Amino acid sequence: GAGVSQSPSNKVTEKGKDVELRCDPISGHTALYWYRQSLGQGLEFLIYFQGNSAPDKSGLPSDRFSAERTGGSVSTLTIQRTQQEDSAVYLCASSLAIFGRSSYEQYFGPGTRLTVT
Amino acid sequence: AQSVTQLGSHVSVSEGALVLLRCNYSSSVPPYLFWYVQYPNQGLQLLLKYTTGATLVKGINGFEAEFKKSETSFHLTKPSAHMSDAAEYFCAVSVSFGNEKLTFGTGTRLTIIP
Repeated sequence: GAGVSQSPSNKVTEKGKDVELRCDPISGHTALYWYRQSLGQGLEFLIYFQGNSAPDKSGLPSDRFSAERTGGSVSTLTIQRTQQEDSAVYLCASSLAIFGRSSYEQYFGPGTRLTVT
Repeated sequence: AQSVTQLGSHVSVSEGALVLLRCNYSSSVPPYLFWYVQYPNQGLQLLLKYTTGATLVKGINGFEAEFKKSETSFHLTKPSAHMSDAAEYFCAVSVSFGNEKLTFGTGTRLTIIP
C-alpha cells in the first residue's frame, strides 16, 4: 500500500511569502504528526492531530505557523510571512493510534525541503 | 519533560565490525523508546521500539537494542556492520500514551569503512 506522501518535495520561496505544505497520511491512520528537521534545531515536534480531538499545537514555534487536517485525512501546514530561519525539512508522520490500542509506530513521509531566500 | 542524548555525532566502524550507537534518555514517567534510521534524502524509518515487556528488542536489518532502566539507556547494536548500514540514526522517546509525539536525539551519522 501507499505510504505517507508529501508535496511539494522542494519549495523555494522569498522571505515574507506564505507557503503551504501538504501531507497525505496512510489510509486509515488516525494520528498525524508534523516535525521539522533543521541543522540548528535537529528534529523537533510541531503539531499532532488525533481523530476529532483538538490538536496539540505545543511545538509550533510562532503564530506564523498553523496547520489543519480536513476530514481526518489530508493535512496542510501553513507558514505565513516566511523567514530565513524557517528553512528546514518538514516531515509528516502518521500512525494508527486508537485510544486503548496503539502501534506506537509512526510512518514518516519523505519530507518537504523548504528554502527561504 | 523528556530528553534524549546521543553520544557521538559521528561513528565510524569497519565492515564486519560491531556497531554500537549510544542513547541515554531522561523521563519522569516510563518511556517508550525508538530507534529510527534516515538514509540520504529520505524520511525516517523505524528500526525498532521498546514499549513494554522484554527489554531486549530486535529490529530490522539485524539491529537490536536493550532497555536498561537503571542506566536510563537504550543503546543500539549490530554484531557485524554492512556497507548498507551507512546512514544517520536517531534515538527518540515518547511518554504519553494517546499522544505519542517523539522527542529526538541529535542523531549519529554512521560511516562504514570498507
